[in-house]
This record gives sequence, structure tokens and C-alpha cells, in this order.
Amino acid sequence: EIVMTQSPATLSVSPGERATLSCRASQSVSSNLAWYQQKPGQAPRLLIYGASTRATGIPARFSGSGSGTDFTLTISSLQSEDFAVYYCQQYYRWPLCSFGQGTKLEIK
Amino acid sequence: EVQLLESGGGLVQPGGSLRLSCAASGFTFSDFAMSWVRQAPGKGLEWVSGIGGRGGSAYYADSVKGRFTVSRDISRNTLYLQMNNLRGEDTAIYSCARGVHYSSNLFDFWGPGTLVTVSS
Repeated sequence: EIVMTQSPATLSVSPGERATLSCRASQSVSSNLAWYQQKPGQAPRLLIYGASTRATGIPARFSGSGSGTDFTLTISSLQSEDFAVYYCQQYYRWPLCSFGQGTKLEIK
Repeated sequence: EVQLLESGGGLVQPGGSLRLSCAASGFTFSDFAMSWVRQAPGKGLEWVSGIGGRGGSAYYADSVKGRFTVSRDISRNTLYLQMNNLRGEDTAIYSCARGVHYSSNLFDFWGPGTLVTVSS
């Protein structure tokens, strides 16, 4: 089983500033890494797939990077609607997949 | 427009059974892998079970293997999750999610979920 570890658990950032979230896989997942955003009471929303490709309709302030075991989600200038919980997910080998425990991005 | 809507959740005693449904619309249901993902209260996401598109097989997380059964009815565009021998740790919101193709667990659409509470 591939274990995904996200850091930090909670990140406090002011609106307009940059946020950097990390995700580490226990073994290489190549570029088979996605990021999701979840707001309270809502379903997760796909932001990034293939480690760095934005999903349809996702603003350019969201960017992803990394490959192998270490990945980063960067939000360049935080908007009020960006404060949420973010999950990384590896989908390296069908049918198995696993999620990180999440990073809560809160307003500083 | 792709839509997924779960139903069938509720309160069940430990050892009991429940069947969840996920009604799909807006896409060719048979062509896509579908999964169930759950989220325990205040916790993260856990993949539970999935089924491949184009007549693909069913798969399960170790935590539910032997107790849960996933299936799909193409004629009704509906995904099911039969849950037997339920335990307290199965308490969660259960969501169905669509894979981006017939053998993918990259999820591009999710339903809002249905709450399952296992308690005496």
C-alpha cells in the first residue's frame, strides 16, 4: 500500500499571500498525483492531475509540481474562496489509490 | 452535465446491512470506472471500492473486503454498494465518484454523499 503524507496539517495564510502545500508518497508514483479541494459540506473538487495539469475551469493561481515521491501544490495569491481542505491522491496503479490526510488552509 | 446522486444511507446497528445507490446521468455510464469513497466524521478520504468500465472487475479496500459488494446496473445508470456486517468504523459519508476513463481512479466528478451511521 502506498501511504500519502501531507504537511502541514494546518496552514495559516493571509489573503493575497502565497500558500505552499506538500505531499509525500511512501514510494514512487511517477506523476500519477492529483490534488482536490474540499469545502465544508461539499464534495471534493479536482484541481490538479498528472502532478501539474490544471483540471477544467481551475484558475491559473493553482499550480502543481513534483514527481516520484515529493509533490507541491502552490496557490500564488490566496482568494477568500480558496480557504478549504486540500487532499493529495496517488492513482499510480489501477485499481488501487490512496489519499493524504489533508491540509486545512485557514485564514491568518 | 454529469451528475451523481447517492441515496440509501441511514442508521444501522452493528452487524446490520445497508445498500447504497448512486444514480448517474449526463454521460455514458458503462464507459467509465466508478468508485465509492468514504469520509468518517472529521477525517480524510478513504477509497472503499470500485468497478471498472466496459465490463471491468470489482475491487475493494482491505478494510471492507468480504463484507461489501459493488455492482452496477447499466440499464438504470446506477452504481450500488451492498454493505454487510457493518461495524462502527464504517460510519462515514459515502460518495460515489467517476474515474476519468474505464480503468482510472482519478476522479473528475463526485456526488454529494450519503451518511451511514453504524450504532446501537
